[in-house]
Amino acid sequence: NAGVTQTPKFQVLKTGQSMTLQCAQDMNHEYMSWYRQDPGMGLRLIHYSVGAGITDQGEVPNGYNVSRSTTEDFPLRLLSAAPSQTSVYFCASSPFRDTRGPEKLFFGSGTQLSVL
Amino acid sequence: QQQVKQSPQSLIVQKGGISIINCAYENTAFDYFPWYQQFPGKGPALLIAIRPDVSEKKEGRFTISFNKSAKQFSLHIMDSQPGDSATYFCAAKRTTTDSWGKLQFGAGTQVVVTP
Repeated sequence: NAGVTQTPKFQVLKTGQSMTLQCAQDMNHEYMSWYRQDPGMGLRLIHYSVGAGITDQGEVPNGYNVSRSTTEDFPLRLLSAAPSQTSVYFCASSPFRDTRGPEKLFFGSGTQLSVL
Repeated sequence: QQQVKQSPQSLIVQKGGISIINCAYENTAFDYFPWYQQFPGKGPALLIAIRPDVSEKKEGRFTISFNKSAKQFSLHIMDSQPGDSATYFCAAKRTTTDSWGKLQFGAGTQVVVTP
């Protein structure tokens, strides 16, 4: 059981370049989300999705796009990379049980991104 | 502005000692308070969680204490072991429809347990 798989593990970009961080889960979870982790800031929610075709913004969505065409995949796109987007990015998923929201997030191992 | 404030940033404890991490929140609508544990190079993993209808929850050597009136909650790691060395994040969320999925994390505490 692979759980939540993120690729790549490491990436270096130049300012202005675009790229897509991949996230896939094999647990048939309805809820998926992207967080960024920065020193002293904890984890901050970028975007999330409660099912295929449904996405919504989190706390820090600017500069990022997402789409959810399948239950399994939730890619995060950086449109024009900036040094402020240097961070560790985590994808997480959870089963959708009721309106109380996700009670246990399953995280991937992260993507370390550096923007020069 | 972080909605959940966590302290200390780091702590060092001897094997067998007690590690205590504190978190405070402002939003009284928060009604679910999990703690996540993260080892280097890995994603966070749920450790233990509490809802405000109880003041304490214990799972093995890990205990959450919750003080609703003070809007504070804390994680106690009893008989700390070197394998507990990790970063710990507190978090909080509310369960209204417009906040679904929006978990607020603290800044994290790096715990080092010395042999």
